[in-house]
Amino acid sequence: KNEVEQSPQNLTAQEGEFITINCSYSVGISALHWLQQHPGGGIVSLFMLSSGKKKHGRLIATINIQEKHSSLHITASHPRDSAVYICAVGIRGSNYQLIWGAGTKLIIKP
Amino acid sequence: GAVVSQHPSWVICKSGTSVKIECRSLDFQATTMFWYRQFPKQSLMLMATSNEGSKATYEQGVEKDKFLINHASLTLSTLTVTSAHPEDSSFYICSARVQPGTDTQYFGPGTRLTVL
Repeated sequence: KNEVEQSPQNLTAQEGEFITINCSYSVGISALHWLQQHPGGGIVSLFMLSSGKKKHGRLIATINIQEKHSSLHITASHPRDSAVYICAVGIRGSNYQLIWGAGTKLIIKP
Repeated sequence: GAVVSQHPSWVICKSGTSVKIECRSLDFQATTMFWYRQFPKQSLMLMATSNEGSKATYEQGVEKDKFLINHASLTLSTLTVTSAHPEDSSFYICSARVQPGTDTQYFGPGTRLTVL
């Protein structure tokens, strides 16, 4: 079993829909990252959180430390949101190396 | 937010040659940089952790003599793929940690290496 599990692996939705991507982990973490990778490869860091909830524009990230679970939400989705969304966790006491989820490929259709 | 650049963004080389990839933190000093490798449709794989002024720490299975890492300054780390082979073709990404003792990392845009 992977230490970081993301679901779903693939998600196709219509423009305007509310999107939820989930991340579960099985280890003690210092922080959890949500990242976005567009076709062509560049990675953008969206959020880093260790508790509670963060919001940036149409993106919302939440984390429940007790349940070892995080969600990334996109409101009013748009085709430009199409990308791979990756959850990565920093392991407590590990020199801040990240363990990566497999990613969720999101396609938003106009 | 902080900016990390990589150069080149893509490179094609012949088998047997060496290729150097640069990772720079443009507006902050990074005591630690990480080098990742990504195969198509797969997650990133940590190759090594690079600390300024000291030897890099390589992950298990990564050949340190093949993937030479130098972190000569607080804003520059380089990855040199020596005697490149077609199986080294991959997407290489660096990230830089902003401050010691924090989780905040900023990622470079990546370098796509194709070895013919």
